[in-house]
Amino acid sequence: GEDVEQSLFLSVREGDSSVINCTYTDSSSTYLYWYKQEPGAGLQLLTYIFSNMDMKQDQRLTVLLNKKDKHLSLRIADTQTGDSAIYFCAETPHGSGNTGKLIFGQGTTLQVKP
Amino acid sequence: NAGVTQTPKFQVLKTGQSMTLQCAQDMNHNSMYWYRQDPGMGLRLIYYSASEGTTDKGEVPNGYNVSRLNKREFSLRLESAAPSQTSVYFCASVRGSVIWEQFFGPGTRLTVL
Repeated sequence: GEDVEQSLFLSVREGDSSVINCTYTDSSSTYLYWYKQEPGAGLQLLTYIFSNMDMKQDQRLTVLLNKKDKHLSLRIADTQTGDSAIYFCAETPHGSGNTGKLIFGQGTTLQVKP
Repeated sequence: NAGVTQTPKFQVLKTGQSMTLQCAQDMNHNSMYWYRQDPGMGLRLIYYSASEGTTDKGEVPNGYNVSRLNKREFSLRLESAAPSQTSVYFCASVRGSVIWEQFFGPGTRLTVL
């Protein structure tokens, strides 16, 4: 079945760039997503990329997609302490139709040190 | 708009007790979901409802039941709680047709002793 894998933890210094990586298995996913979970809260959609794109930039966020290797990454430039959160990669599973169903990775906890 | 609301925020149960987690959304979304979140395991789908009147099992449905009471409300019931059900439970509703955005509630932190 479909699977989404992420490393569990990343620690960076404030002002550095952060790169969070994800691998997925379903090559039919039309869109791939990044969600952010702040402490004590539910997830919120951060950004997404269409599967025929290699890169998407949105202010400090850059999403890179390598479809051949089924690898997705999220780069955060000039990381701030407010970026400390858990970041989830997600894909739409094959055959999910109009349900809006997503498969989430385990989540990467980003720790930003001042 | 309140978005997605969940009650209660915290709950402690003894093994064998039952309870219902409530979820409501005011965004007129068709699809709603229940997840559990455990450390190192991410979000796992328990049940979902693609539309009013339908429910389907997700990845980890054992020990749970759901009711889609109307378009707004989707409840999760634990009939006989077990310590393995200690977790944080999230409800979500979904907007979209091509790009899917899930809107999450604030979560219910459940401890089963």
